[in-house]
Amino acid sequence: NAGVTQTPKFRVLKTGQSMTLLCAQDMNHEYMYWYRQDPGMGLRLIHYSVGEGTTAKGEVPDGYNVSRLKKQNFLLGLESAAPSQTSVYFCAGRRTSNTGELFFGEGSRLTVL
Amino acid sequence: AQSVSQHNHHVILSEAASLELGCNYSYGGTVNLFWYVQYPGQHLQLLLKYFSGDPLVKGIKGFEAEFIKSKFSFNLRKPSVQWSDTAEYFCAVKVSGAGNMLTFGGGTRLMVKP
Repeated sequence: NAGVTQTPKFRVLKTGQSMTLLCAQDMNHEYMYWYRQDPGMGLRLIHYSVGEGTTAKGEVPDGYNVSRLKKQNFLLGLESAAPSQTSVYFCAGRRTSNTGELFFGEGSRLTVL
Repeated sequence: AQSVSQHNHHVILSEAASLELGCNYSYGGTVNLFWYVQYPGQHLQLLLKYFSGDPLVKGIKGFEAEFIKSKFSFNLRKPSVQWSDTAEYFCAVKVSGAGNMLTFGGGTRLMVKP
């Protein structure tokens, strides 16, 4: 039982390059989320999904796209990376029970030069 | 949209000192409240949560938090901190029964000196 796993853990991109972050979970979470963490700003929600085949925008969705083709995977894409997207990205999952508790992955540190 | 404020960005304490971290939120309806902790180099994990009932909630590692509805606050406390409590602490709010999003505060970085 790996929980919530993110790949890659670290990545350096040049401005304009594209990349995809993968979040995989084996905890049967219905809901999945992508957050970015920046100093002094806490975690801000980028996009989320309430089930397979569904996605929705969060607080800071611009410049990102997501897909949830399979229940266990939630992909975050950057089509044309910008230095402002330098951040630590966290994926999280939640079951449908209303406890609200999120289970987080270990984070992916992205640097855009 | 709700917002969450953590007024202390950095806190430095000596071991055995008492801790109180402030958290205020802006939403006036029914909320679910959380404190998450992020130890250095690790992912966030749940420290404690409040849904209903007794407004004084006890969590792991001796932490507790008190929900004061009239003050829109959910402050985190610990009577005696340890060096191993060095971490970043995040308060989070979810509107009860509506939506699926947690809104996080900006975090408080706690350093405990041995």
